[in-house]
Amino acid sequence: DAGITQSPRHKVTETGTPVTLRCHQTENHRYMYWYRQDPGHGLRLIHYSYGVKDTDKGEVSDGYSVSRSKTEDFLLTLESATSSQTSVYFCAISGAGSVYQETQYFGPGTRLLVL
Amino acid sequence: GNSVTQMEGPVTLSEEAFLTINCTYTATGYPSLFWYVQYPGEGLQLLLKATKADDKGSNKGFEATYRKETTSFHLEKGSVQVSDSAVYFCALSAQAGTALIFGKGTTLSVSS
Repeated sequence: DAGITQSPRHKVTETGTPVTLRCHQTENHRYMYWYRQDPGHGLRLIHYSYGVKDTDKGEVSDGYSVSRSKTEDFLLTLESATSSQTSVYFCAISGAGSVYQETQYFGPGTRLLVL
Repeated sequence: GNSVTQMEGPVTLSEEAFLTINCTYTATGYPSLFWYVQYPGEGLQLLLKATKADDKGSNKGFEATYRKETTSFHLEKGSVQVSDSAVYFCALSAQAGTALIFGKGTTLSVSS
């Protein structure tokens, strides 16, 4: 299994507060992704990164920002959390080193509840 | 745009029954196709994949064949076990370094 950790694993927060989720990998994969999983929607891409400091938006990026200052870390920030952002968030990685590989490997997920 | 449609569950089977979960896709070009499995409270695990037409992916007794003529990638297993109870996701990758496009998932429940 790919070495991917997410923190925190569970979080409860209040509407309007900032929240940062962390994804850490030990595989030196080039690409990193943030998805959210919601009932009836499968997984949808929020943002992704194709290298250090290189990021782009996904399908559901409104209300989210990301940063990647090191190969191994990809941060997802909710600037002002809303109840619609209650979800399970998954980080994924692909592309060992500089070689493109399509297969994505997923972290264990973070359950976020916004009250 | 690209999309994946898979049969909605739940699918309920008895142990040792035959399993089929249908998956069809819409994509331009030649996507790679994947099946992922999610056990309760866990992340997604890659189950199998196929990268070109007529390829067969297989793992842990599960199989799926990339059928370009029918734009399908149906998941099959000859004899399911209780431990196979999980949510199964079909997905496609249309281009390097872009999102996987997922179906909505199919819940499988196997009883002994």
